[in-house]
Amino acid sequence: DARVTQTPRHKVTEMGQEVTMRCQPILGHNTVFWYRQTMMQGLELLAYFRNRAPLDDSGMPKDRFSAEMPDATLATLKIQPSEPRDSAVYFCASVPRGLKGAGVSNRSYEQFFGPGTRLTVL
Amino acid sequence: DQQVKQNSPSLSVQEGRISILNCDYTNSMFDYFLWYKKYPAEGPTFLISISSIKDKNEDGRFTVFLNKSAKHLSLHIVPSQPGDSAVYFCAASAGGKTSGSRLTFGEGTQLTVNP
Repeated sequence: DARVTQTPRHKVTEMGQEVTMRCQPILGHNTVFWYRQTMMQGLELLAYFRNRAPLDDSGMPKDRFSAEMPDATLATLKIQPSEPRDSAVYFCASVPRGLKGAGVSNRSYEQFFGPGTRLTVL
Repeated sequence: DQQVKQNSPSLSVQEGRISILNCDYTNSMFDYFLWYKKYPAEGPTFLISISSIKDKNEDGRFTVFLNKSAKHLSLHIVPSQPGDSAVYFCAASAGGKTSGSRLTFGEGTQLTVNP
């Protein structure tokens, strides 16, 4: 069945190193979200794209984080340089293409999440 | 500014009893609310939702109640089962009738159902 995939599942790195996380949305989904889960904040939205164009990246620390969607099948989240406070689980989620007004159905707001990348920065 | 708050980090109930998870929000523009369930080492999965034009939505053992005047919603699970043990996230959208709208999530509540 169709799923959002994320790689790597786990990453341990040292402070100052570059980290790249990848997400493959479900085929046909045109909106992709990046979240970070921490104990204190729950799920924080970092950035999201629609039709590969960035819509909102106000949740990301701009000096070190960058998000791109080079094509419809790949979204990337980079941290350079990484810091220990970046240690968290990073989730990607995608949403199918919908028509305006499709929001009346129960499932149209549903975001389909990947399994996450657990990042540890030492 | 936490616009969606789940004030209970954890909840423990006995199998067969009712589980009630609570969520409060501050943004009056939110018009759609969802609950997600998350097992360890997996991503959150959609559970149930409710539009702001309703005050109750039921799906099997799961019922979501919305009190707009109090800006409060709750998820009831009856009867609770050990397999329901997971983290439950409350989420809200101000997207109107457009799909793919951004969601604002709460901090999550860890539910443990004891056999």
